[in-house]
Amino acid sequence: DIQMTQSPSSLSASVGDRVTITCRASQSISRFLNWYQHKPGKPPKLLIYAASTLQSGVPSRFSGRGSGTDFTLTISSLQPEDFATYSCQQSHSTPSTFGPGTKVEIK
Amino acid sequence: QLQLQESGPGLVKPSETLSLTCTVSGGSISSRDYYWGWVRQPPGKGLEWIGSISYSGNTYYNPSLESRLTISAHTSKNQFSLKLTSVTAADTAVYYCARRERRSGYSDYWGQGTLVTVSS
Repeated sequence: DIQMTQSPSSLSASVGDRVTITCRASQSISRFLNWYQHKPGKPPKLLIYAASTLQSGVPSRFSGRGSGTDFTLTISSLQPEDFATYSCQQSHSTPSTFGPGTKVEIK
Repeated sequence: QLQLQESGPGLVKPSETLSLTCTVSGGSISSRDYYWGWVRQPPGKGLEWIGSISYSGNTYYNPSLESRLTISAHTSKNQFSLKLTSVTAADTAVYYCARRERRSGYSDYWGQGTLVTVSS
């Protein structure tokens, strides 16, 4: 299985901050990398697919970059509704695997 | 608007079979562009991909669960289902059904999730 790691595991930030989360795959996954936002009691919400394509309806302050094994999710200006857990997912190989998540908390 | 809704028992005894159904509305599970699958999240842990089924009935399972897992589709009812046998406490989780895009593999529509607890 392809292992996905994320860093940091959690971070504290203020409204308006620029936040970057890193996701790394244990082997090359080309650009088969998706990002989700997850809030308690709700299903994951797709933010970015194919490493950098913004899902319809997702604010443009979210962006994704990377290919191969190293990827980033950036929130350009953190908003109150962005405090959540963010998980990456590789869809290159079966089984698809998720990163452990990065919890973004209010400073 | 596509909607998915999980249904099934919230409590299952150890060694028994966990059965869940996902009912899809606003779209057909026979679409060639999508697969339909299951993801779970144990308490305090990350998301785990369980498996999926294609429009043609091909199934793709997580090897860690494959020996206990069956995913099937019921096209006439626009539903698909999950059966996991011989459950233990480690199978306690929120179970989500989701639509998976065939080429890129992302999941863009999800059910609300249902908590299944394995306990006697």
